[in-house]
Amino acid sequence: DAKTTQPPSMDCAEGRAANLPCNHSTISGNEYVYWYRQIHSQGPQYIIHGLKNNETNEMASLIITEDRKSSTLILPHATLRDTAVYYCIVRPTGNQFYFGTGTSLTVIP
Amino acid sequence: GAVVSQHPSRVICKSGTSVKIECRSLDFQATTMFWYRQFPKKSLMLMATSNEGSKATYEQGVEKDKFLINHASLTLSTLTVTSAHPEDSSFYICSAREGDSHSTQYFGPGTRLLVL
Repeated sequence: DAKTTQPPSMDCAEGRAANLPCNHSTISGNEYVYWYRQIHSQGPQYIIHGLKNNETNEMASLIITEDRKSSTLILPHATLRDTAVYYCIVRPTGNQFYFGTGTSLTVIP
Repeated sequence: GAVVSQHPSRVICKSGTSVKIECRSLDFQATTMFWYRQFPKKSLMLMATSNEGSKATYEQGVEKDKFLINHASLTLSTLTVTSAHPEDSSFYICSAREGDSHSTQYFGPGTRLLVL
């Protein structure tokens, strides 16, 4: 499975956009990029996923570079409840998720 | 999104006893379920993959006789920690995949196990 690299921590002011980067330079053509987040002592929550096109849903937007070697998760208007660990995962079709260390996002009032 | 539940949410047991954790997909049929464990301030570690009606596939280093997994129906998988020891204390999380291999995984809320 392709390995992902994320910054260990980030801060974001409440109400501003949070942009969380992820590098996946060894990604293969059939591997999807998934984003989950984990709020303290809870199970991971699905956010969004994509293959090569940018994606948007009610929670976030996912921007994938044209070469697919990196992506950015955008939370357009961060709130205090968005404070969590965010995991970027690259997964071939049908295979399991292997979690990296993620980015600990702190939203500051 | 799809809902996955776990029971119990937390359990305390004595060393040497066995503990069963249930994982249920509430509003979809899960052909595949996964079990993870997570130590404090660490990431999730995949323990095993469970397909309905067949034996679970364990990750390297995970003892299958220690962590018994049963996936008897399309909505229920169980993890039994046998002869629990204090080092088995951890946060156990299940996830379920709806439908085919292209589907997203949804995670349960986790079960915190403390072995005294």
